[in-house]
Amino acid sequence: QKEVEQDPGPLSVPEGAIVSLNCTYSNSAFQYFMWYRQYSRKGPELLMYTYSSGNKEDGRFTAQVDKSSKYISLFIRDSQPSDSATYLCAIPRNAGNNRKLIWGLGTSLAVNP
Amino acid sequence: NAGVTQTPKFRVLKTGQSMTLLCAQDMNHEYMYWYRQDPGMGLRLIHYSVGEGTTAKGEVPDGYNVSRLKKQNFLLGLESAAPSQTSVYFCASSFPGRGGEQFFGPGTRLTVL
Repeated sequence: QKEVEQDPGPLSVPEGAIVSLNCTYSNSAFQYFMWYRQYSRKGPELLMYTYSSGNKEDGRFTAQVDKSSKYISLFIRDSQPSDSATYLCAIPRNAGNNRKLIWGLGTSLAVNP
Repeated sequence: NAGVTQTPKFRVLKTGQSMTLLCAQDMNHEYMYWYRQDPGMGLRLIHYSVGEGTTAKGEVPDGYNVSRLKKQNFLLGLESAAPSQTSVYFCASSFPGRGGEQFFGPGTRLTVL
């Protein structure tokens, strides 16, 4: 079983839709959870970052962590064509003095006008 | 503040040729990383460094070497390029810390014929 699993999609939605992106993970010791956004032919950039369980909201984006199910979600409200990108979940392994991230494969999202 | 920059942006090599990819960051980050990104494989860590003069192997280090002679620079070398090294290479940097947000460069697209 992979440490982090993410459905690669692709996902195609109409403008204004609510989008749900998800990852599952295997290690219950993980505590920090990140979502990166990667536009075509660009490097990933951090979108949201949560610690432990619960929700975190930033504008149209909400990150949710369910530690009991080992499930993390990113919701996008009122999706826009500019949200079209690949969304990657990432979890710091937090072992020792390195800060290696475990990456999901990324979900490709297209928001159609 | 340029963030993370990578040189070159594109390169085509013949099998057996060598090259060096240069990464520079101006954020005074301690940690630096080299990744490769391939379709269906996601981001995979090649090598990383937790400080000037130190390097360590990641998940897929074979065929690559690195050096971190200055804190702001991290070099990735291919001594004898192979077609399997055709990929998009990303450099990233971060501060040490629990969260460990990584800041990425724009990438280098390498094709090995």
